[in-house]
Amino acid sequence: DAGVTQSPTHLIKTRGQQVTLRCSPKSGHDTVSWYQQALGQGPQFIFQYYEEEERQRGNFPDRFSGHQFPNYSSELNVNALLLGDSALYLCASSSRTGANVLTFGAGSRLTVL
Amino acid sequence: AQKVTQAQTEISVVEKEDVTLDCVYETRDTTYYLFWYKQPPSGELVFLIRRNSFDEQNEISGRYSWNFQKSTSSFNFTITASQVVDSAVYFCALSEEISSGSARQLTFGSGTQLTVLP
Repeated sequence: DAGVTQSPTHLIKTRGQQVTLRCSPKSGHDTVSWYQQALGQGPQFIFQYYEEEERQRGNFPDRFSGHQFPNYSSELNVNALLLGDSALYLCASSSRTGANVLTFGAGSRLTVL
Repeated sequence: AQKVTQAQTEISVVEKEDVTLDCVYETRDTTYYLFWYKQPPSGELVFLIRRNSFDEQNEISGRYSWNFQKSTSSFNFTITASQVVDSAVYFCALSEEISSGSARQLTFGSGTQLTVLP
C-alpha cells in the first residue's frame, strides 16, 4: 500500500520563475494539505484541499496556489519565486474519518537561485 | 494564536541513555490535540502519537513514553534506552478541535535534533 508520493524530489529554479509540485495521497485518503519547511525549522501550513476546494489556508501570499483533482491528487503552484521560497515542501494526506492524523510524503526540495 | 515551543535545538546522548524531549504549547482552545512526529534524514515525517486535551494519562509504547501536563501546558517525550536508529529530528505539534470531520492544520514547533552516539 503506497503512502504519500511527491514529485519531483529535488528541483532548482531561478528567481521569478514558476514551479509546480505534485502529490498523490495515500490510498483511501481524500484530503491533502501542503506544508513548507525551511531549513532548521518546523513545517508551516500552506493550505488544505478537500472535494477539489481550498478549505483552510495559512499565512502565505497569493503567489502560492493549489489544486485538487477528482482522484484526490493535488498540485502546489508557486509563482514569481523568491530566494526565500527555498524549502522542503511537504504534502500530507488524511481521511475525514481519520481522526486528524496526517500521513506525510518525503517532500520536494526546492532551491531558488 | 497557537504556538509550540521546543527549547532544545539539539541533544546528543550515548546509546542506552534515556532522553527527554520537551514541548510547551500555547492555545486559547479548551479542546485541542497534541502530536509528536519523527523526521529521519529521508525527510518524511512519521507520526508517533496523538493526544487530546481531555486525556492527561501518560502513555507508554515500547521504549517511548509521553507525559502530558495540562497545568504546565507541556507534552514531553521520553525515549528509554536510546538507540542509534532513534537519531532524527522530533517535532511536537498542536491542532485545534476537529470539526466537520476535517483534519485541522498543525502548528509545529521548531524541532529537536536528537543524535544517539554508539
